[in-house]
Amino acid sequence: AQSVTQLDSQVPVFEEAPVELRCNYSSSVSVYLFWYVQYPNQGLQLLLKYLSGSTLVKGINGFEAEFNKSQTSFHLRKPSVHISDTAEYFCAVSETGGFKTIFGAGTRLFVKA
Amino acid sequence: EAGVTQFPSHSVIEKGQTVTLRCDPISGHDNLYWYRRVMGKEIKFLLHFVKESKQDESGMPNNRFLAERTGGTYSTLKVQPAELEDSGVYFCASSQVAGAVTDTQYFGPGTRLTVL
Repeated sequence: AQSVTQLDSQVPVFEEAPVELRCNYSSSVSVYLFWYVQYPNQGLQLLLKYLSGSTLVKGINGFEAEFNKSQTSFHLRKPSVHISDTAEYFCAVSETGGFKTIFGAGTRLFVKA
Repeated sequence: EAGVTQFPSHSVIEKGQTVTLRCDPISGHDNLYWYRRVMGKEIKFLLHFVKESKQDESGMPNNRFLAERTGGTYSTLKVQPAELEDSGVYFCASSQVAGAVTDTQYFGPGTRLTVL
């Protein structure tokens, strides 16, 4: 069975500082990996996804993530955050050939001025 | 293009009552998913429709939950009778390509259900 662990429930950071949101997954088969963002009172929005190929994936709003198969990780990074990045971020995994997406518990990013 | 819409945005009911949640996916999207998030925990998969057919309903908690997607357009999720542990935010998502988990899922804003 697959599972996703987001190692930090909350991450406070100052504006213009870099940030890394950590995600580890468990699966016995090949997977696809996703990061979603949820702004207040909105639905989840896809930030980026890893399907195959280059392990460094670039997404919207300046975010990127790196797939590390040996460490079963897919950490999300941004070199300089803005106040508007304050939101909840979800890491998710799907088995290749499967139909179900498994989500982590979310990480709340607070960007302070 | 309209996004995924859900109704109602909030629902407060008493234990034992019935509630029906509605999801309108993006027009033309074959895949429709229901998810639930209990306070502060992970978003859990409930079920997946491809058009009007249930592709996977392995995440449905028990037989008090009934999902339908008549005609392959909007979907309803009925909880009858509701229990306290059913409280949470119910999300609906849709994607275009039938059966493709890699296809981008577009989420609605969710329905917050509170069972007292």
